[in-house]
Amino acid sequence: NAGVTQTPKFQVLKTGQSMTLQCAQDMNHNSMYWYRQDPGMGLRLIYYSASEGTTDKGEVPNGYNVSRLNKREFSLRLESAAPSQTSVYFCASSEQGGRTEAFFGQGTRLTVV
Amino acid sequence: KNEVEQSPQNLTAQEGEFITINCSYSVGISALHWLQQHPGGGIVSLFMLSSGKKKHGRLIATINIQEKHSSLHITASHPRDSAVYICAVRADSGGSNYKLTFGKGTLLTVNP
Repeated sequence: NAGVTQTPKFQVLKTGQSMTLQCAQDMNHNSMYWYRQDPGMGLRLIYYSASEGTTDKGEVPNGYNVSRLNKREFSLRLESAAPSQTSVYFCASSEQGGRTEAFFGQGTRLTVV
Repeated sequence: KNEVEQSPQNLTAQEGEFITINCSYSVGISALHWLQQHPGGGIVSLFMLSSGKKKHGRLIATINIQEKHSSLHITASHPRDSAVYICAVRADSGGSNYKLTFGKGTLLTVNP
């Protein structure tokens, strides 16, 4: 099994450009998450999807949108990238929220110049 | 104050040493996770526990719910254990809470 697959692994954007980070899981998990990781800070939740068809804001949702395309896929979109969005982004999934083991993608290192 | 505090922030050990990383949290929880992240790498789940103790190979995780404290122990440490270890908790605020709150991580370096 591939687990959680994120693309791309690296991306450089210019301020104002848009992009979509893709995430897919093959474990039939209900819950999916997008986090960002910045130096000196813990992982912070951007958006999550408790189950197919639902999405909710996390701690730092401003500047992002998400789509739970189906049970497998959960994408994160930056409509107009800003330097403050330079970060490492992780997608994760779990069978049932924080009550079950979480599986993470390999991360996307995004730089906005 | 962060809901999840880890100590130490940085830890350097010699190969073979017994290592302990601590995690304290301030809210009632239903689950606690220990994660491992190698430099430049992805994040891997090591343990999820809600009571007692779990062991996997040289790694042992314990939790004391009353004291709101968990420890991750590594026996016979090895340079390949060098990584950031992250504690995360699921607050016990009802079935609708799907979110984890993360500590800032402990950077472990094991020298040969």
